Amino acid sequence: AQKITQTQPGMFVQEKEAVTLDCTYDTSDPSYGLFWYKQPSSGEMIFLIYQGSYDQQNATEGRYSLNFQKARKSANLVISASQLGDSAMYFCAMREGGTGGFKTIFGAGTRLFVKA
Amino acid sequence: DGGITQSPKYLFRKEGQNVTLSCEQNLNHDAMYWYRQDPGQGLRLIYYSQIVNDFQKGDIAEGYSVSREKKESFPLTVTSAQKNPTAFYLCASTPGNELNTEAFFGQGTRLTVV
Repeated sequence: AQKITQTQPGMFVQEKEAVTLDCTYDTSDPSYGLFWYKQPSSGEMIFLIYQGSYDQQNATEGRYSLNFQKARKSANLVISASQLGDSAMYFCAMREGGTGGFKTIFGAGTRLFVKA
Repeated sequence: DGGITQSPKYLFRKEGQNVTLSCEQNLNHDAMYWYRQDPGQGLRLIYYSQIVNDFQKGDIAEGYSVSREKKESFPLTVTSAQKNPTAFYLCASTPGNELNTEAFFGQGTRLTVV
């Protein structure tokens, strides 16, 4: 079963506006970490933000914030004041432990297009 | 500067050949990972290693092999058994077994079967 679901293959946003990228996850483990990464066309992976399963407050990092709704198992990324340089692929990821040790799994990604 | 180095950046393979992708890190991280990315898609876990001389299969290990003889090195071999190897391969590392640590990635290797 898919553990990380990103239902928006592509999103458009006007420059300077806010955009929300959706992510839902599935796990039975009470301890897990949620991450968002950005992948520009160059292919590098850039870490954006982290949310722990026990964190009471939503994580924020500059223009990025994570809307964490634990009961709904969602971890949406909000980008405020979009910039042209925000155009990229965005991946939601979950880190959890298991018999083989800790691993990070990724969703299919959302491609964000910022319009001038 | 600390980081992860993948080589080569581009690799061409003839059908039926094995090829090895290199991944070296100088971050002193215990855990290392290999992911495959197909065009427009997410990252799928091939293999991961939490410690030297130990590794685990990920979701798509068939047709691939790895070794972890040194802490800083985690090479991936794409064997002839992998029927559709053309993809972008990313190597990553994390310090160890913590939940709150992001993965550090290399620049990737783009493999094409010719």
